[in-house]
Amino acid sequence: TQLLEQSPQFLSIQEGENLTVYCNSSSVFSSLQWYRQEPGEGPVLLVTVVTGGEVKKLKRLTFQFGDARKDSSLHITAAQPGDTGLYLCAGGETSGSRLTFGEGTQLTVNP
Amino acid sequence: KAGVTQTPRYLIKTRGQQVTLSCSPISGHRSVSWYQQTPGQGLQFLFEYFSETQRNKGNFPGRFSGRQFSNSRSEMNVSTLELGDSALYLCASRVAGGFNEQFFGPGTRLTVL
Repeated sequence: TQLLEQSPQFLSIQEGENLTVYCNSSSVFSSLQWYRQEPGEGPVLLVTVVTGGEVKKLKRLTFQFGDARKDSSLHITAAQPGDTGLYLCAGGETSGSRLTFGEGTQLTVNP
Repeated sequence: KAGVTQTPRYLIKTRGQQVTLSCSPISGHRSVSWYQQTPGQGLQFLFEYFSETQRNKGNFPGRFSGRQFSNSRSEMNVSTLELGDSALYLCASRVAGGFNEQFFGPGTRLTVL
């Protein structure tokens, strides 16, 4: 069974601070996705990384896929209250739609 | 383009009853997957349907079933409800191929009393 471990589970920071969320696995995934979920809503796709060592930037968010395609990180620069939410990493299989999700990181950015 | 829609948004049932949830994917998306989200277990894959055929199934009991229609709309059914079935049920659709980028609906919040 493929598992994804996310850390930290909870993170409460002040506006303007930087943070990093980690997603680790002992398994190799064909793709790694990051989602953000707000209360009462479904997850919203932020980014997909597919190549080992790949780095993608989305405004203040930087996503990295490990060289061995087993781990990933999400770095947020100068966090804002609007960044508050549940951040989920998900590993994709080579075939089919099954995504294996991490437990999530609940981020709270205080004004 | 309209997003994934799910109905109903909220549902309250009692133990032993059955429930049917509905999902309409993004236009042109032929793959529909269902996930269960609970505070203790997180998001867990239930099953995937593509072109009216179940293509993949997660580790859930047979009380959980689904189907897909020719217009790609999908339904999932849970029979003989248990208290532990209380969860947010999410539907996701994607185009065939690609890197498994899935687009989720808002979910159906099921409460079993």
